[in-house]
Amino acid sequence: GAVVSQHPSRVICKSGTSVKIECRSLDFQATTMFWYRQFPKKSLMLMATSNEGSKATYEQGVEKDKFLINHASLTLSTLTVTSAHPEDSSFYICSAPPARAGNEQYFGPGTRLTVT
Amino acid sequence: AQKITQTQPGMFVQEKEAVTLDCTYDTSDPSYGLFWYKQPSSGEMIFLIYQGSYDQQNATEGRYSLNFQKARKSANLVISASQLGDSAMYFCAMREGMGTSGSRLTFGEGTQLTVNP
Repeated sequence: GAVVSQHPSRVICKSGTSVKIECRSLDFQATTMFWYRQFPKKSLMLMATSNEGSKATYEQGVEKDKFLINHASLTLSTLTVTSAHPEDSSFYICSAPPARAGNEQYFGPGTRLTVT
Repeated sequence: AQKITQTQPGMFVQEKEAVTLDCTYDTSDPSYGLFWYKQPSSGEMIFLIYQGSYDQQNATEGRYSLNFQKARKSANLVISASQLGDSAMYFCAMREGMGTSGSRLTFGEGTQLTVNP
């Protein structure tokens, strides 16, 4: 079946540095990918919609200059957390619906970011 | 207003028994889809079951079934014959607008299920 991968699975970085998280669709093309953020024992909150070949669409309250999203190809979207601070520590997870309409959205395994 | 409401922060069930996890939703769109995902402590999101708003029958997938009551706007998940491996967080989610594979999901707050031996 379709698989979405994320890299890295875990990352620890220092305050002020930037971190890039990759989301790949492995055996299907995804013109759209979604980036979610999840705090411990909380729900998934949609941060932005990544669109191949165009600008991402950010949810209200999400700083687009802080969370840079690039969707350069039909199989890759990247989320860069710029000038990370401890409050950015969270679980980031991407999802991609298959290009042909189906019922399931496929999620990546998630990236746990810790900013020290 | 919350679009997806899961009123049970935590649920406990004995192994081999059935359990129902509640989910109510709110939408004015006649076309929508409802999903249940399981999230174990590893964090991965595991798709369990899907119900489309126009589906006449309740969805079933193995030990999972979805009790879809459209008039009440509820989509409860029933897990039969619970297993210890079912212990996890369970999320109900909704996609508004059918036929558009790019529609995003809105999630409920989740229910932490614990299966006791």
